[in-house]
Amino acid sequence: DAGITQSPRHKVTETGTPVTLRCHQTENHRYMYWYRQDPGHGLRLIHYSYGVKDTDKGEVSDGYSVSRSKTEDFLLTLESATSSQTSVYFCAIRDRSLSTEAFFGQGTRLTVV
Amino acid sequence: AQSVTQLDSQVPVFEEAPVELRCNYSSSVSVYLFWYVQYPNQGLQLLLKYLSGSTLVKGINGFEAEFNKSQTSFHLRKPSVHISDTAEYFCAVSISGGGADGLTFGKGTHLIIQP
Repeated sequence: DAGITQSPRHKVTETGTPVTLRCHQTENHRYMYWYRQDPGHGLRLIHYSYGVKDTDKGEVSDGYSVSRSKTEDFLLTLESATSSQTSVYFCAIRDRSLSTEAFFGQGTRLTVV
Repeated sequence: AQSVTQLDSQVPVFEEAPVELRCNYSSSVSVYLFWYVQYPNQGLQLLLKYLSGSTLVKGINGFEAEFNKSQTSFHLRKPSVHISDTAEYFCAVSISGGGADGLTFGKGTHLIIQP
């Protein structure tokens, strides 16, 4: 298995509170991604990173921010969580060549009550 | 921008029967194509990928897929399914040769194996 660790694995939080999810990789891959998975929607890209301090928005970025201060860590922050952000969040990594697949973490199940 | 359509949200099939999961894509440029499998409460695992060359691609667990450029399809097949194949299957596409913006996924097909 690719060395990707997501933390926490499960979290319940209240509406309006800030939440940070962490993705840590040991593969030294350049590209990192945050997706959310919802029934009937598949996986949708939230944000991605193509290097340290280099990030960009994906399809569903509203309400989310990201940071990447080190190659191995990619943080996803919900500044003020809403019930619509209840979802399963997956981190993925990809190597330099871009011709290969993405490797996924085990996911974080976030519930906003 | 590219997009992926998985035509069936659920596919029930009897154990040891063949199965085909359908995937169509849309893109104005050349693409790479992938099939991933997700078992309950787990992350996504790559089944197979098409980058170039032979249009018939073989993957893990006895699955194969055929790339059809004229029909913009990448259907997944298995000649005889097992109960352990019960899972969610995702087709995905990315632009070939460049672009850091990740894979675009279909909505998934839930494969249900009936004994």
